[in-house]
Amino acid sequence: DTAVSQTPKYLVTQMGNDKSIKCEQNLGHDTMYWYKQDSKKFLKIMFSYNNKELIINETVPNRFSPKSPDKAHLNLHINSLELGDSAVYFCASSRGDRPLSYEQYFGPGTRLTVT
Amino acid sequence: AQSVAQPEDQVNVAEGNPLTVKCTYSVSGNPYLFWYVQYPNRGLQFLLKYITGDNLVKGSYGFEAEFNKSQTSFHLKKPSALVSDSALYFCAARGGYSTLTFGKGTMLLVSP
Repeated sequence: DTAVSQTPKYLVTQMGNDKSIKCEQNLGHDTMYWYKQDSKKFLKIMFSYNNKELIINETVPNRFSPKSPDKAHLNLHINSLELGDSAVYFCASSRGDRPLSYEQYFGPGTRLTVT
Repeated sequence: AQSVAQPEDQVNVAEGNPLTVKCTYSVSGNPYLFWYVQYPNRGLQFLLKYITGDNLVKGSYGFEAEFNKSQTSFHLKKPSALVSDSALYFCAARGGYSTLTFGKGTMLLVSP
């Protein structure tokens, strides 16, 4: 059984388009995250939701909008895609954001290529 | 601002030899330290964490890590490397009310 799943696995699109990535976790976790991994493998957090509420919003263009319909799902919608958005996007979940000791479980990633 | 440094881009080791992947951190307050592994085209997998207590932490697949408060280090170790350990390893840290910060990753290559 997949703990954290993401769809699609690959996404190729043109500049200016709008696209969404979906994430679901079946671990019963309260907190979900979106990370961006660039071409140099550097990993940076974008957003974090706890029980459907946004708790972390790092410096991310407002073209990126997360949506959490319930605590098992955290989707990422991207408007007006740019070349620099090309990256691998990872969804993750954890039991909670506090205490700080909870480890995170990652999905398989979505490789976004903007042409 | 907190930070995590992994000084080596790549570590090469022969199968059967011990391995060490280095990590130093800077966080406010008590540190919570993690190691994750990423295999090609896969998501990150949790290996182990340090919260408090014993400085030597044991984790998955025979890995362990040693916490050193005075050197602000959390090096990942394994007594005997396997070819299948070849992957990208990330150290991560958080403290205070901060988010989890990852190092840039260290590629471990284990040769037969």
